[in-house]
Amino acid sequence: GAVVSQHPSRVICKSGTSVKIECRSLDFQATTMFWYRQFPKQSLMLMATSNEGSKATYEQGVEKDKFLINHASLTLSTLTVTSAHPEDSSFYICSANLYGGIDNEQFFGPGTRLTVL
Amino acid sequence: GDSVTQMEGPVTLSEEAFLTINCTYTATGYPSLFWYVQYPGEGLQLLLKATKADDKGSNKGFEATYRKETTSFHLEKGSVQVSDSAVYFCALEKLVFGKGTKLTVNP
Repeated sequence: GAVVSQHPSRVICKSGTSVKIECRSLDFQATTMFWYRQFPKQSLMLMATSNEGSKATYEQGVEKDKFLINHASLTLSTLTVTSAHPEDSSFYICSANLYGGIDNEQFFGPGTRLTVL
Repeated sequence: GDSVTQMEGPVTLSEEAFLTINCTYTATGYPSLFWYVQYPGEGLQLLLKATKADDKGSNKGFEATYRKETTSFHLEKGSVQVSDSAVYFCALEKLVFGKGTKLTVNP
């Protein structure tokens, strides 16, 4: 099946620094990828839709200047948490599917645990 | 807006016990419904899905039936195994997820 990877799996950074998380589709091309945030014992919350070659679409309440998304190729989307603060500490997950829509089966990355000190 | 409510965990069972994880939803229209599973250290993966009312999704011994009248999509398995220990997420299309239910199966 389709495989999605994320890197790094875990990152610890100081407050005020920026952190980049990569999401790659390893064996298929993904025109659309999705970024989520998951708090402990909470659901996955969709943050944004990453569109190859165009601007990302952010969900209501998500700061686009805080969470920069770049989807420069059909197999790579990046999420950069800018000027990170402790409240940004969370588990970030990406997904993609074979057809680009949101109604189809998603293939998920293993997630990235961000801890901001 | 659309939402999913699923049974709070954690759920702990003995091997070969019967499993039910309840899931109900609120949505306009008739969305597709999904169950995803997340094994320790891995990403979520699709377990089963149903696209219309009365459809039954099944995989690896798990089943869930799309009940329009009760807006439910409960996950069941007749005899769980230790290898079923994971977190299970109920989801609507349009990427609306429940909070997840952690299942631990003891030998």
